[in-house]
Amino acid sequence: ETGVTQTPRHLVMGMTNKKSLKCEQHLGHNAMYWYKQSAKKPLELMFVYNFKEQTENNSVPSRFSPECPNSSHLFLHLHTLQPEDSALYLCASSQEGIGKAEAFFGQGTRLTVV
Amino acid sequence: GEDVEQSLFLSVREGDSSVINCTYTDSSSTYLYWYKQEPGAGLQLLTYIFSNMDMKQDQRLTVLLNKKDKHLSLRIADTQTGDSAIYFCAEFMGGSYIPTFGRGTSLIVHP
Repeated sequence: ETGVTQTPRHLVMGMTNKKSLKCEQHLGHNAMYWYKQSAKKPLELMFVYNFKEQTENNSVPSRFSPECPNSSHLFLHLHTLQPEDSALYLCASSQEGIGKAEAFFGQGTRLTVV
Repeated sequence: GEDVEQSLFLSVREGDSSVINCTYTDSSSTYLYWYKQEPGAGLQLLTYIFSNMDMKQDQRLTVLLNKKDKHLSLRIADTQTGDSAIYFCAEFMGGSYIPTFGRGTSLIVHP
């Protein structure tokens, strides 16, 4: 148990569906991240929120829409996805500041787009 | 090239030692990390080393840091089948709170 919880753990959706991934942390961290992990590819940073403000968007297609209503919750809204978007989506959090700042990860949501 | 580099696969026999290597680019990284990812799970922090240290030992794990060559290694003594996983090296580049990960090394332990 890392203190970062993601739901759902598994999701199968059609290309015309709209769904959302949820991430929650109660570690008091101020930075939260979405990563995409595909087979045979490096871990891809998608979005970063720091103090609820989006600070990074690594050229992610607009069919992925993040939302950070507060520093404990992060969502990833999905719509009209493609089969190549099937992957493990990982949420992480960390504490910005000088010094040790390891990232804590959730278990991930295994997404399959059919 | 990538900021953090690792070899992709390592295969060892149960009971042997495993050494997973990583090279990184930012000499100002204060902390360097090793994460473990078991099948179907997220990344779990395994250990870390502060940049002013050369070595850190934690039970079966030994982390070695060569700052001159920007080389980090993770040694697992008496490797068990339960150690089979993907191991990621990570750094927080100078002034950044965003971790940079390597591609991960798949460790396969044979009985």
